[in-house]
Amino acid sequence: DAGVTQSPTHLIKTRGQHVTLRCSPISGHKSVSWYQQVLGQGPQFIFQYYEKEERGRGNFPDRFSARQFPNYSSELNVNALLLGDSALYLCASSLAWNSPLHFGNGTRLTVT
Amino acid sequence: GENVEQHPSTLSVQEGDSAVIKCTYSDSASNYFPWYKQELGKRPQLIIDIRSNVGEKKDQRIAVTLNKTAKHFSLHITETQPEDSAVYFCAARNNAGGTSYGKLTFGQGTILTVHP
Repeated sequence: DAGVTQSPTHLIKTRGQHVTLRCSPISGHKSVSWYQQVLGQGPQFIFQYYEKEERGRGNFPDRFSARQFPNYSSELNVNALLLGDSALYLCASSLAWNSPLHFGNGTRLTVT
Repeated sequence: GENVEQHPSTLSVQEGDSAVIKCTYSDSASNYFPWYKQELGKRPQLIIDIRSNVGEKKDQRIAVTLNKTAKHFSLHITETQPEDSAVYFCAARNNAGGTSYGKLTFGQGTILTVHP
């Protein structure tokens, strides 16, 4: 039984560049959420998608965007990277928007 | 918006002792409270959750209690083992939706160390 899968696992980018992170939810799950986890802190909500529509957005700048595809997989895009964007980006899937969240292993993004 | 405070930030116990981690939340509309365990370099794993229509829930050595009036909830781990060592996060969400929709608001985390 496959869990939430994220790719890539690690990524190093330079300031100003763009990055795309990918997530495949657990089979049957229709909601995908994205969280940013800075070292030593709890995850911070970025987006939630349910049935391919954005249902919630956290307090992040417009440089952050996301989308959900017909197969319920999702992409998180970050433009004009800043040093402060360095973090672990976690994707979580759930059956519905208000069901328990199951997290993937995350993508470790380092911006230099 | 919702704000979740978690205490203590670090907790050290001897194997076999009990551990208690406490969280308070600010939004009285929150009605779903999960707890996650995150081992170093790994994903957060859901270990137990509680909804506001119950005051306590148990799963083997783990229990969660909820006091809606005081807006706080706690994680209790009994007979701790070294493999319980990890960072524990509490979280809160309004499962009825509203402007926050499905957003989980997390506490700052508690580093639990269980000494053999």
